Amino acid sequence: DIQMTQSPSSLSASVGDRVTITCRASQSINSYLNWYQQKPGKAPKLLIYAASSLQSGVPSRFSGSGSGTDFTLTISSLQPEDFATYFCQQSFSTPYSFGQGTKLVIK
Amino acid sequence: EVQLVQSGAEVKKPGESLKISCKGSGYSFTNYWIGWVRQMPGKGLEYMGIIYPGDSDTRYSPSFQGQVTFSADKSISTAYLQWSSLKASDTAIYYCARRYYYDRSGYYFFTFDIWGQGTLVTVSS
Repeated sequence: DIQMTQSPSSLSASVGDRVTITCRASQSINSYLNWYQQKPGKAPKLLIYAASSLQSGVPSRFSGSGSGTDFTLTISSLQPEDFATYFCQQSFSTPYSFGQGTKLVIK
Repeated sequence: EVQLVQSGAEVKKPGESLKISCKGSGYSFTNYWIGWVRQMPGKGLEYMGIIYPGDSDTRYSPSFQGQVTFSADKSISTAYLQWSSLKASDTAIYYCARRYYYDRSGYYFFTFDIWGQGTLVTVSS
């Protein structure tokens, strides 16, 4: 099975900051990488698929990059509604494993 | 509107059985795989597996194989997740999600694009 590791596990930032979250796969997954946002008490929401493609309706301040084993999610200018937990997921092979999550909190 | 609506919260005792549901609407339910994802209290997301409602083909994650059973009734656009004997460690929120794919020059990129609201299962004596 493919293991996904995110860093950091938590991140403190301010509104307007640029933040980057990283995700590493235990083997090459090409660009088969998704990013989700989850707010407390809510279901996850798809942000990015195929490593860098923005899901419809997602603000353009979110972007993704990477291929192979190393990926990043960047939020260019944090908004108050962006404070949430972010998960990466590989869809290269089943089981479609998730990273452990990165909690983004207000500084 | 494309949506998945899950059944309500459950409180059960260890050893009891349970079946929770996930009803799709607004799209062709039989044409897309449905995935199940577990989230234990305060923890991350765990992929459990997927089922194809069109023919009930199932693919379990090795971590959940033999622990749960997926099923589907395509006549009512509903997928199910069931346990025959619950344990306290099954306490979690369970999400269903539609597996969608994007075709990029013949390469299929799978995602979970639509999620149910989650079903909280509490197992306690």
